[in-house]
Amino acid sequence: AQTVTQSQPEMSVQEAETVTLSCTYDTSESDYYLFWYKQPPSRQMILVIRQEAYKQQNATENRFSVNFQKAAKSFSLKISDSQLGDAAMYFCAYRSALAGGTSYGKLTFGQGTILTVHP
Amino acid sequence: KAGVTQTPRYLIKTRGQQVTLSCSPISGHRSVSWYQQTPGQGLQFLFEYFSETQRNKGNFPGRFSGRQFSNSRSEMNVSTLELGDSALYLCASSSGTSGTYGNEQFFGPGTRLTVL
Repeated sequence: AQTVTQSQPEMSVQEAETVTLSCTYDTSESDYYLFWYKQPPSRQMILVIRQEAYKQQNATENRFSVNFQKAAKSFSLKISDSQLGDAAMYFCAYRSALAGGTSYGKLTFGQGTILTVHP
Repeated sequence: KAGVTQTPRYLIKTRGQQVTLSCSPISGHRSVSWYQQTPGQGLQFLFEYFSETQRNKGNFPGRFSGRQFSNSRSEMNVSTLELGDSALYLCASSSGTSGTYGNEQFFGPGTRLTVL
């Protein structure tokens, strides 16, 4: 079974600064997808960024980028130029790319990191 | 396109009762997954439905069940409610096809269930 670990329960950053959230995972699979989701106080889960394991290039989405280290099974999220609206709980999630069985429709989440942004 | 909708948004029940939650996926999406979110256990996968068939199930007791209709709308049912069932229940839809974007899940706002 796959596991996802977020070792930072809480992080804080000053507005306009950069912050990095950590995520490690454990899997025996070679093909999978990794995601970062944001859950603001409204509780609506929003996809921030995705990474395919077969791609060596790190994904970027505007101010959000990842550092994907497949051998180390590490998937960190960097938020640049932090904004007040970035304050939320951030979840790292894993999904198998295998078809069938226990892979269907299942995201495995980390415990989350609460990000506070100070003005 | 309209997003994923869940009804009701809030529910209060007492122990022993049963409850049904509803989820309408994004138009064209055929896969619906359900998750339970609690402060103690975090986000846990309940089950996934695709074209009216349950394809995957998490590690939850049989009191948790679901179904999917021909229009892809899904319901989950919890019978004989326990205090520990108090949680935010999230559903997510995806196209259900293979490949990166087929795997991408879009979440609804959740149903907050309180069991007294």
